[in-house]
Amino acid sequence: EVQLVESGGGLVQPGRSLKLSCVASGFTFSNYGMNWIRQAPGKGLEWVAYISSGSSYIYYAETVKGRFTISRDNAKNTLYLQMTSLRSEDTALYYCARAHYRGWFAYWGQGTLVTVSS
Amino acid sequence: DIQMTQSPASLSASLEEIVTITCQASQDIGNYLSWYQQKPGKSPQLLIHSATSLADGVPSRFSGSRSGTQYSLKINRLQVEDTGIYYCLQHYSAPFTFGSGTKLEIK
Repeated sequence: EVQLVESGGGLVQPGRSLKLSCVASGFTFSNYGMNWIRQAPGKGLEWVAYISSGSSYIYYAETVKGRFTISRDNAKNTLYLQMTSLRSEDTALYYCARAHYRGWFAYWGQGTLVTVSS
Repeated sequence: DIQMTQSPASLSASLEEIVTITCQASQDIGNYLSWYQQKPGKSPQLLIHSATSLADGVPSRFSGSRSGTQYSLKINRLQVEDTGIYYCLQHYSAPFTFGSGTKLEIK
């Protein structure tokens, strides 16, 4: 069974940093691209970042480019999102999702909540 | 960037009714369009991929179609458990973009 478990969320002050993790199991992690998607309270879904299976291709939403860094450790079956210079508008539930090779998001984690507030 | 215009924003329909949700892409995205259902307090779940293909385990009352750059999700014989918010997603090119969502309620 495919499982994605996010962690690392919490309350953080504006301007500070936070690193999210997503541990994968039930499939060969190194074979799949991965995404981060976020959802602000009461709002819709916003794609944040994508990383290919071997980390060769990385893409970001304009809203996080230059502040967030997606990475992965295939030996640890873990996806990361390093978030710096956090703003109040980054407050959201952050999901990781496994990408099918044709791009759709086949599996999602349960999310980890990030709250940026002083 | 590719924009996805989703409509309607909300929808209220009766049991057994047929409902249709649409997404208009701002440019050609081929069949790189998927649909997701999000129930209250839950993670989104894949319903349709490749514009028209039903994901594993999804009831056959859900279907997807495409006409040019307009994509539709149709739900036949609406059931209580279909309540939720529905999103389209274009994964043709980054930045990937979701539609704004359609909140579906059962009358």
